[in-house]
Amino acid sequence: EIVMTQSPATLSVSPGERATLSCRASQSVSSNLAWYQQKPGQAPRLLIYGASTRATGIPARFSGSGSGTEFTLTISSLQSEDFAVYYCQQYNNWPLYTFGQGTKLEIK
Amino acid sequence: EVQLVESGGGLVQPGRSLRLSCTASGFTFGDYAMSWVRQAPGKGLEWVGFIRSKAYGGTTEYAASVKGRFTISRDDSKSIAYLQMNSLKTEDTAVYYCTRDLIRYSYGNAFDIWGQGTMVTVSS
Repeated sequence: EIVMTQSPATLSVSPGERATLSCRASQSVSSNLAWYQQKPGQAPRLLIYGASTRATGIPARFSGSGSGTEFTLTISSLQSEDFAVYYCQQYNNWPLYTFGQGTKLEIK
Repeated sequence: EVQLVESGGGLVQPGRSLRLSCTASGFTFGDYAMSWVRQAPGKGLEWVGFIRSKAYGGTTEYAASVKGRFTISRDDSKSIAYLQMNSLKTEDTAVYYCTRDLIRYSYGNAFDIWGQGTMVTVSS
């Protein structure tokens, strides 16, 4: 089973600043990597798939990069609605999809 | 509007069974693979299993933690996916989400549509 490790567990950033979240796979997942955003009491929302393609309706301030085992989600200028928990997910080794443990992005 | 609505959650005793439903609307349900993902209270996301579209045989795959106890099925005529959960354990307590595969006529991709979730509590 591929293990996905996200860092940091919690990230404190001020509104308007840039946030960089990391996700590492225990073995290569090629570009089969997605990012999700989850707010309290809500279902996750797909942000990025294919490591770098924004999902429908996702603002351009969200960008994804990486391939193989190292991936990054960058939020260029944080808005108040961006403070949430973010999960990465690999779907290369399907059907055994695996998620990272999440990064909580909080207001500094 | 593309939508998934889960139902059937509740309180159940260990060892008992429960069936969840996921009702889809706003898209051609039969063309998509569907997955179930769960989230224990205060924890992260865990993939439970998925079912391919009929075009790919409607076959299923499961996480090791539920294999042999949980069964996913679908009724394309009603646009409903089911999660039959047997021999429930306290560690199955979670919010259960129904999700849609991103790509039509395919499987093994990210999940672009999520339901609001239904809570399952396994406790005596």
